[in-house]
Amino acid sequence: GESVGLHLPTLSVQEGDNSIINCAYSNSASDYFIWYKQESGKGPQFIIDIRSNMDKRQGQRVTVLLNKTVKHLSLQIAATQPGDSAVYFCAESIQAGTALIFGKGTTLSVSS
Amino acid sequence: NAGVTQTPKFQVLKTGQSMTLQCAQDMNHEYMSWYRQDPGMGLRLIHYSVGAGITDQGEVPNGYNVSRSTTEDFPLRLLSAAPSQTSVYFCASKMGQRSNQPQHFGDGTRLSIL
Repeated sequence: GESVGLHLPTLSVQEGDNSIINCAYSNSASDYFIWYKQESGKGPQFIIDIRSNMDKRQGQRVTVLLNKTVKHLSLQIAATQPGDSAVYFCAESIQAGTALIFGKGTTLSVSS
Repeated sequence: NAGVTQTPKFQVLKTGQSMTLQCAQDMNHEYMSWYRQDPGMGLRLIHYSVGAGITDQGEVPNGYNVSRSTTEDFPLRLLSAAPSQTSVYFCASKMGQRSNQPQHFGDGTRLSIL
């Protein structure tokens, strides 16, 4: 069964807004978490990752937050652009980034 | 670098046929893996390899075989295809099992079993 899930299957935002995509995980032994973006007909593309010894990690326009107390992961995208439209997956691992367990994905639609 | 290359991109098989999905990476990555993605679902791990000569099962290994004779290649074999194996198959690679680098994915093979 699924041990990682996303709260909303779809999210629609306006260009320029900030987007927040949420994910809940169930295995408290997971030590690594990662977000992927998947465009139609393509493979998952790495966005950002975080290890369990961190609460927050920032990249270019993206931030991942990890709340181990409630086993919650979120991806924040600043100034969302039409090119950000895609399906976003969170995944967890108890083996340092191998054997990833994926959630079902959230489809982000950005309108201009 | 080409990254992770998967061939073919599309394939249609009849039930009972066999087939090998190819995966190659040119990044000298030790760790490679195969996932399948069904409609509306996340990816599920089929098999993985931590280095040449070493393979192990993932979450959904039944009906699939793998081998890892070289660092670069990690083929996935369906010995007798079944309609339940209709899916999109993704190969991924990573520097090493314990490295800090993320897994990188190919663009997939879309497989239909009739």
